[in-house]
Amino acid sequence: EAGVAQSPRYKIIEKRQSVAFWCNPISGHATLYWYQQILGQGPKLLIQFQNNGVVDDSQLPKDRFSAERLKGVDSTLKIQPAKLEDSAVYLCASSLGGLAGVEQFFGPGTRLTVL
Amino acid sequence: DQQVKQNSPSLSVQEGRISILNCDYTNSMFDYFLWYKKYPAEGPTFLISISSIKDKNEDGRFTVFLNKSAKHLSLHIVPSQPGDSAVYFCAASGGGGKLIFGQGTELSVKP
Repeated sequence: EAGVAQSPRYKIIEKRQSVAFWCNPISGHATLYWYQQILGQGPKLLIQFQNNGVVDDSQLPKDRFSAERLKGVDSTLKIQPAKLEDSAVYLCASSLGGLAGVEQFFGPGTRLTVL
Repeated sequence: DQQVKQNSPSLSVQEGRISILNCDYTNSMFDYFLWYKKYPAEGPTFLISISSIKDKNEDGRFTVFLNKSAKHLSLHIVPSQPGDSAVYFCAASGGGGKLIFGQGTELSVKP
């Protein structure tokens, strides 16, 4: 069974530029999550999708971050414009969701450096 | 407001001995707890979990203990192996699938 795929693995941009990350979840997983992990901290949820609908985006800085999950499969997370404090690893995770299980499966992450 | 806390940023243990990683939480509505293991440049991988209706769950060398009255859980690894060296995160869920993670504890198992 293929795991969660993410690309790119690394990205370096200048502040005020825009960047986009892509995620392909495990086949059949209805729930998709984007997390931000700053160095020395645990992952922090940015947004949660159930199929192609948003369940929780309370921690997403909506003035600069956006995310979509078209057709309930792949997802993209965009930052525009980027700030220095956005330097972090962006993790995508998926799960069966609901009563099927709480366990989330993570991709390898995208390490973003904003200069 | 940190709802899940791992107060030890690092832990060093000799190979073959027991590793004990601790986690405290503040929200009594959490009903499911998980431990994840993370190697450098990889995403976290699920290790073991426990429901709030239990106080212990065991899987091979890994055992998780939950003390609800103290709002505390711990992960025991016996015996510890050098391949266990990684960052360990505890996470809590209060329903809806959302996980709240602790800051992580870096475990180093020395041969």
